[in-house]
Amino acid sequence: QITLRESGPALVKPTQTLTLTCIFSGVSFRTGGVGVGWIRQPPGKALEWLALIYWNDEKRYNPSLKSRLTISKDTSKNQVVLTMSNMDPVDTATYYCAHKHQYGSERGWFDPWGQGTLVTVSS
Amino acid sequence: EIVMTQSPVTLSVSPGERATLSCRASQNLSNNLAWYQQKPGQEPKLLIFGASTGAIVRATGIPDRFSGSGSGTEFTLTISSLQSEDFAVYYCQQYNDWPYTFGQGTKLEI
Repeated sequence: QITLRESGPALVKPTQTLTLTCIFSGVSFRTGGVGVGWIRQPPGKALEWLALIYWNDEKRYNPSLKSRLTISKDTSKNQVVLTMSNMDPVDTATYYCAHKHQYGSERGWFDPWGQGTLVTVSS
Repeated sequence: EIVMTQSPVTLSVSPGERATLSCRASQNLSNNLAWYQQKPGQEPKLLIFGASTGAIVRATGIPDRFSGSGSGTEFTLTISSLQSEDFAVYYCQQYNDWPYTFGQGTKLEI
């Protein structure tokens, strides 16, 4: 059974850099094809995919946010870290990490998801 | 970027009735589309996905009253007989090309 859990600050100030951590179990980056992604959801709004990292350290970013995002992993800790720079109140959202299915393909759905962590951007 | 458009925005249905939710893509997805259910305060839950074999598959543990159909640019999620626990927001997501994109959601209400 795969589980994921996000952690990070509940409140950040505008212009600060957000750092979020996803710790997962039931799967390992030592397995070829494994990918973990980040998705966010502003309150009452739709989902937006942000970034994804593969077992071999290949990364994919949403072009609309690419200049502000960095995704990285620690294989030994089963951990993925997402940083987002220059935070703004419009970045207030619940941030989810999720396991990407269909190893060996760029095309895959997300399952399961972590429970999410709400980040508020305010001075 | 592939734009996903869901309709209707809100669907009002009575328990026991059938619900049909639509998702349209701005480009051909083949069958690379997933459906998720999200209840208030919870993370999205995978319902249905399109596998590389071409099949449309229900995720593990999803009741057979949920079914998906479509390919290319037009997709449908059907819930055959609505139960009280099915009232939620439903999202489609394309994974045919980067960036992955989601629809804006359909709220299924009583």
